[in-house]
Amino acid sequence: QMQLVESGGGEVQPGRSLRLSCAGSGFPFSVYAIHWVRQAPGKGLEWVAGISYDGGIKYYTESVKGRFTISRDNSRTTVYLQMDSLRPEDTARYSCARDSGAVAGTGWFDPWGQGTLVTVSS
Amino acid sequence: QSVLTQPPSVSGAPGQRVTISCTGSRSNLGSGYDVHWYQQLPGTAPRLLIYGNKNRPSGVPDRFSGSKSATSASLVITGLQAEDEADYYCLSFDYILNGGVLGTGTRVTVL
Repeated sequence: QMQLVESGGGEVQPGRSLRLSCAGSGFPFSVYAIHWVRQAPGKGLEWVAGISYDGGIKYYTESVKGRFTISRDNSRTTVYLQMDSLRPEDTARYSCARDSGAVAGTGWFDPWGQGTLVTVSS
Repeated sequence: QSVLTQPPSVSGAPGQRVTISCTGSRSNLGSGYDVHWYQQLPGTAPRLLIYGNKNRPSGVPDRFSGSKSATSASLVITGLQAEDEADYYCLSFDYILNGGVLGTGTRVTVL
């Protein structure tokens, strides 16, 4: 069945970097946009970044622009989120989700992965 | 940034009807972008309830329904059940932010 599995989370100090991975299976990975969504402890969902089917279009929420980079390797059916200059407020569970379309705009997100926890603390 | 506003909480007795609103603006819902709804139980991934404003995926009970008008949308649960106690979120796209936007979330409590 369709599945997304995240990895790469952990605890890091402020200012350091981390790279998250989102591996997809059970569907034609290269035809769909993929998004990252985070949820801080006890808080709501926040959209973080998205990438079009071919990696040609990237989208970011304002608070991570210039610090996070989304990319994809369709040959490995994997999307990455490179997170630099991490801040305590980036602490959250990061989940990836498949868009129903090839680019962001009109589609819904389904399925979602279970997420990977990122903790930024000194 | 949450540009889609939802009520923090709604509640109802079993069997009652509850409505969750999602209020946006001209740059998202008001520009014709669809709204989608999710249910999140504690410790689990969000589950798609409604896509394209009013469509239910297979397996979602017909007591869940959605609608959209101008800059707002609604999720209605008719015949509330204990298992509906969860957090609910709306999702859309914003052309000014050029990205996805999620609602602030609503906690549904079954009394």
